[in-house]
Amino acid sequence: GQQVMQIPQYQHVQEGEDFTTYCNSSTTLSNIQWYKQRPGGHPVFLIQLVKSGEVKKQKRLTFQFGEAKKNSSLHITATQTTDVGTYFCAGPLILTGGGNKLTFGTGTQLKVEL
Amino acid sequence: DAGVIQSPRHEVTEMGQEVTLRCKPISGHDYLFWYRQTMMRGLELLIYFNNNVPIDDSGMPEDRFSAKMPNASFSTLKIQPSEPRDSAVYFCASTDSFNQPQHFGDGTRLSIL
Repeated sequence: GQQVMQIPQYQHVQEGEDFTTYCNSSTTLSNIQWYKQRPGGHPVFLIQLVKSGEVKKQKRLTFQFGEAKKNSSLHITATQTTDVGTYFCAGPLILTGGGNKLTFGTGTQLKVEL
Repeated sequence: DAGVIQSPRHEVTEMGQEVTLRCKPISGHDYLFWYRQTMMRGLELLIYFNNNVPIDDSGMPEDRFSAKMPNASFSTLKIQPSEPRDSAVYFCASTDSFNQPQHFGDGTRLSIL
C-alpha cells in the first residue's frame, strides 16, 4: 500500500554534530509537512513545503522538498540538547476509491548527548 | 488562544471496562482527527470528522471502538469493552482545512490492566 517511510529510525549524535532525516513517499505528494514530538509530548507542526525543489530554513533547521515531490529531508546543523525528540514527516496520500488523507511517516527519533 | 483540549490526560482501568476519551478542537476548525500512538505501530489515524460528520473511519481497529462528534466543539472516542492491547497514547487533532497543518492536543495516556 501507499506509505510514507522515514530513515533512519533512530539517530544518536553528540551535541554539535549535524543530523539529517529522510522522508520517502511511494506516490507524489501535493505538500509535505514536518512535525516534532518531544519525549512525553505531542506532535507540533514545524513547517510545510509545497513547491517542487523548495528549501526552507528555520534557524539551524533546513527543510527540502524533492524535485519529484516524492521525498523530503530535514537537516539540523550543530545539534543541541533541545533538538531531542522524534521528527515526523506527513503527506496527503491518495486513498483507494478516491480522496486522500494526511499520512504520517514512521518518524526518526533523535537523541543528543553532551 | 486555547489549543486542542483533551481529557483525561491519564487513564488507568481494568480490561472489560468502558473508556471514554474527550476532545475539544480549536474553535473554527472544521476537521477533527483521532490518532493512536504506540511504539510498535507509530502514529495511526483512527477516524476523522468534517463539520461533525465522520468521513473516514477505516482506521478504527474494530467494533469495540466508536467515535462521535455531537457538535463542533466536542468529540468522544469510546472503547467498550477495553483490552490490554488498547493501551496507547490517543491524540486528538484539528485543522481548518483538509491536509493542512494539524494542531494536536496533549493526548490521553491509556493503560488497560
